[in-house]
Amino acid sequence: DTEVTQTPKHLVMGMTNKKSLKCEQHMGHRAMYWYKQKAKKPPELMFVYSYEKLSINESVPSRFSPECPNSSLLNLHLHALQPEDSALYLCASSHSITGFSEPQHFGDGTRLSIL
Amino acid sequence: AQSVTQPDIHITVSEGASLELRCNYSYGATPYLFWYVQSPGQGLQLLLKYFSGDTLVQGIKGFEAEFKRSQSSFNLRKPSVHWSDAAEYFCAVGQRYGNKLVFGAGTILRVKS
Repeated sequence: DTEVTQTPKHLVMGMTNKKSLKCEQHMGHRAMYWYKQKAKKPPELMFVYSYEKLSINESVPSRFSPECPNSSLLNLHLHALQPEDSALYLCASSHSITGFSEPQHFGDGTRLSIL
Repeated sequence: AQSVTQPDIHITVSEGASLELRCNYSYGATPYLFWYVQSPGQGLQLLLKYFSGDTLVQGIKGFEAEFKRSQSSFNLRKPSVHWSDAAEYFCAVGQRYGNKLVFGAGTILRVKS
């Protein structure tokens, strides 16, 4: 069982839709992450939140909008996505907020398909 | 810049045989090294990590890895593979004050009966 919960597990949306991905952790972790993973590739970092503040944005297009309402929740708002945005979106959390020296705990991801 | 190389894209082993997955890293300071496993349709699960100390680290599911500074390697091993070990394995390196966890390209493990 994963300790990071992501919903929904699958999402199909059109290019004009607005949807949100949700992530929740109850391990008291202070850092949370969004990754994008294409098939047969490693995860690519998108955003990092530390203490509910955005600390890293890996030059992600503005059609992806992250939000961290509290220390346990992380959202990724999607709008006007492109077909190339179809991927597995992974959420992760970790205790460390000063870099990446501690393990990250991953959710099972949301499989996103853009029509 | 940090980099991680996993030379083997695919590996096939027989059930019960031993396994070694290779990982080489490039990083000037003390690396923080991780092995993750990903089963189809699932997220990444941490197998083990190395920060310092004993260079042979034990992980979950019977896996172990050995850190060799002189070879810049952190190879993953298992003495006897089970069919359920079939998955993709990622080696990753982080740094204490860095801003990114760098993943290798991954190695897909197939287990034949």
